[in-house]
Amino acid sequence: EPEVTQTPSHQVTQMGQEVILRCVPISNHLYFYWYRQILGQKVEFLVSFYNNEISEKSEIFDDQFSVERPDGSNFTLKIRSTKLEDSAMYFCASSESPTGGGQPQHFGDGTRLSIL
Amino acid sequence: AQRVTQPEKLLSVFKGAPVELKCNYSYSGSPELFWYVQYSRQRLQLLLRHISRESIKGFTADLNKGETSFHLKKPFAQEEDSAMYYCAYSGGGADGLTFGKGTHLIIQP
Repeated sequence: EPEVTQTPSHQVTQMGQEVILRCVPISNHLYFYWYRQILGQKVEFLVSFYNNEISEKSEIFDDQFSVERPDGSNFTLKIRSTKLEDSAMYFCASSESPTGGGQPQHFGDGTRLSIL
Repeated sequence: AQRVTQPEKLLSVFKGAPVELKCNYSYSGSPELFWYVQYSRQRLQLLLRHISRESIKGFTADLNKGETSFHLKKPFAQEEDSAMYYCAYSGGGADGLTFGKGTHLIIQP
């Protein structure tokens, strides 16, 4: 069964540095998402992406964050200047069509980001 | 604000007992509701969606618009049901999912 893959599984970065988290969505999916989960808290939506542009973003997704689909397979989340509070598990997800139509999102294993 | 509430952080039941994981939502439109499960050391995976009205692994969930609830039920719990369960909804379109805080279900032998 096809899966969403994320790399790396764990990223350790110094505060203030840029970090790029990578995701390969399921190949025939058209909608892509990033979520984060701070330790002990709930999974929070960051951004959705369709047709090479952002569809929706939450208030967490400020100017420090950006997303890109640099080629036909990768979907990346960049944090420009990391802060301690960016430490979290980051999940990528994809879906074949909009979730509003009842389509499920398929999640990757996540990248644990640790900011020192 | 749109919200999903899972009141129980932890639920422990004995094998063979019935299970009900509660989920309430606050949303004025017609949301799409889902239950996701995360077994130990595995990824989040879809368990149920209200639109399909199916039973998966013995679990069912009925959307009650009057009570704005989408409780997850199983008549006889099994040890392999131990996991984190998250209720989530989508407001429509390409919206992201809004998750509840999750309920850790432990099935005791």
